[in-house]
Amino acid sequence: DSGVTQTPKHLITATGQRVTLRCSPRSGDLSVYWYQQSLDQGLQFLIQYYNGEERAKGNILERFSAQQFPDLHSELNLSSLELGDSALYFCASSATGGRNYGYTFGSGTRLTVV
Amino acid sequence: GDSVTQMEGPVTLSEEAFLTINCTYTATGYPSLFWYVQYPGEGLQLLLKATKADDKGSNKGFEATYRKETTSFHLEKGSVQVSDSAVYFCALEGIHGGSQGNLIFGKGTKLSVKP
Repeated sequence: DSGVTQTPKHLITATGQRVTLRCSPRSGDLSVYWYQQSLDQGLQFLIQYYNGEERAKGNILERFSAQQFPDLHSELNLSSLELGDSALYFCASSATGGRNYGYTFGSGTRLTVV
Repeated sequence: GDSVTQMEGPVTLSEEAFLTINCTYTATGYPSLFWYVQYPGEGLQLLLKATKADDKGSNKGFEATYRKETTSFHLEKGSVQVSDSAVYFCALEGIHGGSQGNLIFGKGTKLSVKP
């Protein structure tokens, strides 16, 4: 157990729908990162939050959004889902928002859009 | 922009064989470098890291040395086991502006070790 908890582990939904993925960071970590892993694009950084504030944005689609709550858990919202959004979504956390020398990943949420 | 290139897989080896997975990077400055491992059905685990030139990261028999002159961070293990079968990702940590602290990954190399 890495200490980073992601729910649900699996999600199957239809095109056009909206889903919410949840991440609880490791105790004491202030920064949360979201990554998408797909067969064609590999692992791509989506977005980072630090202590409730958005810190950095990567290749995140406009249909996707995220937030980090006061208790530091984070949610990634995916809307108007398309078949190509099927992927593994990972959350990671770290103590700080700057240079970290590595951080801890959760086990991921596998999203299947049908 | 910053990028990581690692050798294409899959790589299939017999138990006790020597492993090398090549990784090169393009970046301004001297980013921290990492190897992550993903076992089937699991998330990413940090395998080893190096934060400056000539540093050697090591863990569980795996080693990698940060070579700034060749911008490389090749992963090696002297004797692989079946339990090492996994996908290995090389990554660098952004150090500038908005990419600071974010990881840029290579495409991954799948390793299969046969008994």
